[in-house]
Amino acid sequence: QSVLTQPPSVSAAPGQKVTITCSGSSSNIGNNYVSWFQHLPGTAPKLLIYEDDKRPSGIPDRFSGSRSGTSATLGITGLQTGDEADYYCATWDSSLSAGVFGGGTKLTVL
Amino acid sequence: EVLLVESGGGLVQPGGSLRLSCAASGFTFSTYWMTWVRQAPGKGLEWVANIKQDGSEKYYVDSVKGRFTISRDNAKNSLYLQMNSLRGEDTAVYYCARGRLGGPYWGQGTLVTVSS
Repeated sequence: QSVLTQPPSVSAAPGQKVTITCSGSSSNIGNNYVSWFQHLPGTAPKLLIYEDDKRPSGIPDRFSGSRSGTSATLGITGLQTGDEADYYCATWDSSLSAGVFGGGTKLTVL
Repeated sequence: EVLLVESGGGLVQPGGSLRLSCAASGFTFSTYWMTWVRQAPGKGLEWVANIKQDGSEKYYVDSVKGRFTISRDNAKNSLYLQMNSLRGEDTAVYYCARGRLGGPYWGQGTLVTVSS
């Protein structure tokens, strides 16, 4: 059971928008930057968002991130079938003195 | 080009040991935190451990404390994970990544299977 809570799954049609939430506490999201990763099993995770809302070079602006209080959100617009993957939030937990990942959210593009 | 290549995975019996290595190239290894992350079969990503640039700070997930040791050799551009007293629940693909949590660069992973 992760200290960061994500919905197990989300779905939307191609071209639509989806948001994935990540809920934590003051010891993690409340006081530390959040990153978001896209992962297809058997491949290396891909960084989508770092420091809450920054995109690495090469990540399209269809992907966005935000943080408010003890929650963070990943938004994906203009959904494509290629976006089908597992998405994870991650941050540092100051109480645990450890990194933490959310449980992951499986995105299905119908 | 940044490259991270893990090695050392394999099949090991419960209670056994294994040492994972991660060879880094394409960047100044000694200036970055490095991290190990794992994914057990059918499960999500789990942060395992990280180490500061000079090795002076190391952090671990509770489930591996006292059993796993992260280390690095900046002269060899290499990251290590010594895993002792292995358990079935340690079975996973282990990834090394650049950064405190894992950032833009990850290896392809090495599979560790703990089974009798």
